[in-house]
Amino acid sequence: GQQLNQSPQSMFIQEGEDVSMNCTSSSIFNTWLWYKQDPGEGPVLLIALYKAGELTSNGRLTAQFGITRKDSFLNISASIPSDVGIYFCAGQETSYDKVIFGPGTSLSVIP
Amino acid sequence: EAGVTQSPTHLIKTRGQQATLRCSPISGHTSVYWYQQALGLGLQFLLWYDEGEERNRGNFPPRFSGRQFPNYSSELNVNALELEDSALYLCASSAIGTGGDGYTFGSGTRLTVV
Repeated sequence: GQQLNQSPQSMFIQEGEDVSMNCTSSSIFNTWLWYKQDPGEGPVLLIALYKAGELTSNGRLTAQFGITRKDSFLNISASIPSDVGIYFCAGQETSYDKVIFGPGTSLSVIP
Repeated sequence: EAGVTQSPTHLIKTRGQQATLRCSPISGHTSVYWYQQALGLGLQFLLWYDEGEERNRGNFPPRFSGRQFPNYSSELNVNALELEDSALYLCASSAIGTGGDGYTFGSGTRLTVV
């Protein structure tokens, strides 16, 4: 079945540093999504990508839809303590298909 | 506007028992999705309900079942609980035909099977 892999599995960074994480898939998706989950909460959508090669920003966050449609990248610039959490990539073929989630990247920011 | 609400927040059951988890979607949303989040495994898709019908199902055994009521709220039932069913169960809602970019998640129910 469809499967997503995320790397790294976890990250410990100093406040102010930039962060990069990526996601690869065994199959093609038409939509890539990035979510963040804070402790004790459900995931919240950060960025949605709809077209191969698309680069989209949301504040300090930038994500890209890979050309092959089998990968996506998320960058966070100038990290702050509130960036701590688990970041999930997710893929979807059409809006009527299930959303497939990756295993997540856990981010810790050291003040 | 109230978000997606899930109850109970925590649930402790004994192996072999049944668990019932509840989800109330955002007003106006007709689709409800259930996901299992076991430690380190990300979110695994369980079930999708819309307009009272089951629309899609993930790779879970039949002892995972659910239903959606006329007011669009939903129940997830897990029968014959096993220790590996211990997880955070998340519910999301959306308008029909909205992709994952339209999902709103609840805070989840933490199920512990002992």
